[in-house]
Formats: sequence, structure tokens, C-alpha cells
Amino acid sequence: AQSVTQLDSQVPVFEEAPVELRCNYSSSVSVYLFWYVQYPNQGLQLLLKYLSGSTLVKGINGFEAEFNKSQTSFHLRKPSVHISDTAEYFCAVSDNRDDKIIFGKGTRLHILP
Amino acid sequence: KAGVTQTPRYLIKTRGQQVTLSCSPISGHRSVSWYQQTPGQGLQFLFEYFSETQRNKGNFPGRFSGRQFSNSRSEMNVSTLELGDSALYLCASSLTTGELFFGEGSRLTVL
Repeated sequence: AQSVTQLDSQVPVFEEAPVELRCNYSSSVSVYLFWYVQYPNQGLQLLLKYLSGSTLVKGINGFEAEFNKSQTSFHLRKPSVHISDTAEYFCAVSDNRDDKIIFGKGTRLHILP
Repeated sequence: KAGVTQTPRYLIKTRGQQVTLSCSPISGHRSVSWYQQTPGQGLQFLFEYFSETQRNKGNFPGRFSGRQFSNSRSEMNVSTLELGDSALYLCASSLTTGELFFGEGSRLTVL
């Protein structure tokens, strides 16, 4: 069965600094990978997804992620964060046998002024 | 295009009662998934329905059940509520692999 580990429960970063949110997964088969964002008091929305092809995936709001099969990682990055990026970020995995999507426990991104 | 609608948004129940939550997916989406979100456990998968059939199920006790109607609307039911069932219940619909569209959730408090 697949699983997702987000190593950092909280990440503080200064405004306009770069950020990387880490995600590792385990699965015995080929996977699809996703990052979702949850703003306060809202549901989740898709930031970006990797299904196949280029390992560097670009998403909304300037975020990108790189799929690394050998390290089973899918880290999320942004070169310069803004106060509006304050939210909780969830990494998720789905294998290609069914559409069940498993989420990590989330990383809270705190933007410091 | 209307998003995913969940009702009710907030509700308070007491132990032993039962609750039904409703989810209306985006028009044209035939897959509906349910998740339980708590501070300690994060997002946990409950079940997924596609064309009125349960296609996937998470590791929750039988007190948690769901169904999907012919118009793709879905309901989930929790019977014999326990304090630990207090959570945000999120519904998501999808048209393609992995791109889930979430509602704002139903926040259940069990006293």
C-alpha cells in the first residue's frame, strides 16, 4: 500500500525568501503525485500534479515540484514566498491501480514579515 | 460553474446519535470521495464512490457508511457517534485522475 511522509509539520520562512516543503512516498507500483493547499477555513485545492513525463512540474502561484524516483521524493519549492502563501500544504499519492488518493499529514507554512 | 457543495457546514451532536452529511459534486463529475480531517491524524480517506458504486474504502469501522445517488450526489452517515468522531469531513469530486475538487467541509462536533 502507498503512504506519504511529510517530514516537517511546520516551516517558518521570511517573506521573499525561498522555501522547500519535503515529501517522501512509498509505493510498490508507479505513482501519481500531487500537492494540495488548504487556506484557513477552506477546503483543499490542487497546486500541481505529476502523472508522467517531465519530472519538474510547475503549478499555480509560482510553485513547482520535482519528482525523484530514486529518492522517492516529490519536494515542493517556491523561489520567493509571499504573505498570502500562509497555508497548510499536503502532499498526496495515488497508484495507477485505483483512484484512491492518500494524503500526508500536512506542513504548515508560516510566513514571517 | 458551481463548486462542490457540502451541507451542513457546522453541526453539534451528542454521543450515541447518528449524523448524515451531504455532498453535491461539480456537474459532470461522477466520482465522489470522502475524507476525515483531524489535527492529529491529518486527512484520512473514508471511501470513494463512482456511478453509485463504492470503488474504494479506507480503514474506518462499519459505523461509517456512504452512498451515491444516480445524480452523483453523495451522503455519508456515521452511527453511534463517539467523541473521537469530531472532525472536519471533506467531500471531493473528480473528473480525471487525481484532480480532486474539495468542498469547504462539514465540521462535526460530538459532545
